[in-house]
Amino acid sequence: NAGVMQNPRHLVRRRGQEARLRCSPMKGHSHVYWYRQLPEEGLKFMVYLQKENIIDESGMPKERFSAEFPKEGPSILRIQQVVRGDSAAYFCASSPPSSGRNEQFFGPGTRLTVL
Amino acid sequence: GEDVEQSLFLSVREGDSSVINCTYTDSSSTYLYWYKQEPGAGLQLLTYIFSNMDMKQDQRLTVLLNKKDKHLSLRIADTQTGDSAIYFCAESGSGTGRRALTFGSGTRLQVQP
Repeated sequence: NAGVMQNPRHLVRRRGQEARLRCSPMKGHSHVYWYRQLPEEGLKFMVYLQKENIIDESGMPKERFSAEFPKEGPSILRIQQVVRGDSAAYFCASSPPSSGRNEQFFGPGTRLTVL
Repeated sequence: GEDVEQSLFLSVREGDSSVINCTYTDSSSTYLYWYKQEPGAGLQLLTYIFSNMDMKQDQRLTVLLNKKDKHLSLRIADTQTGDSAIYFCAESGSGTGRRALTFGSGTRLQVQP
């Protein structure tokens, strides 16, 4: 059973470009979370999605950031008009259908560098 | 909002025990977790503890929870060089079911041979 997959692993963008980060959850998982990790810091929650629904986006910046998890295909975190402050590691996690313990399994992350 | 705090750095010798500490503010936290992050990698769930427990042991790992003081610790027995990593404490808020986790900023464990 493959784990959570994220691609690309490393992404370099110039200021003003768009960044698209992809996450495929573990097989059988239909809940996805995105977190951001700034250098030397812990992970900060951004958004929690179920297939075709955003459940909690309380951690998402109000502008330039969006997320989706379509019925088919991976979850996408999209950052428009990137700025240097967006440079960070972005982690996706997924959880199984019956998750009373709220166990979240993390992917390897996408490291975004904005030049 | 909820807050989770950890000391930044711990250095131990191979074969010694390591104790990593964490404090949290949300007294209604139902589950607390320990994750391990190796360089350039994602987070690996090591263990969790339910809030009505005060101790959980899993092979070399022992988790202690003092709910009154809102203090959580992770003890690694017979620490090995492969245990060198960043360890994150996290809490899930009140109730069961899925929700965002709140993480500490991580403790970097360095194991000296």
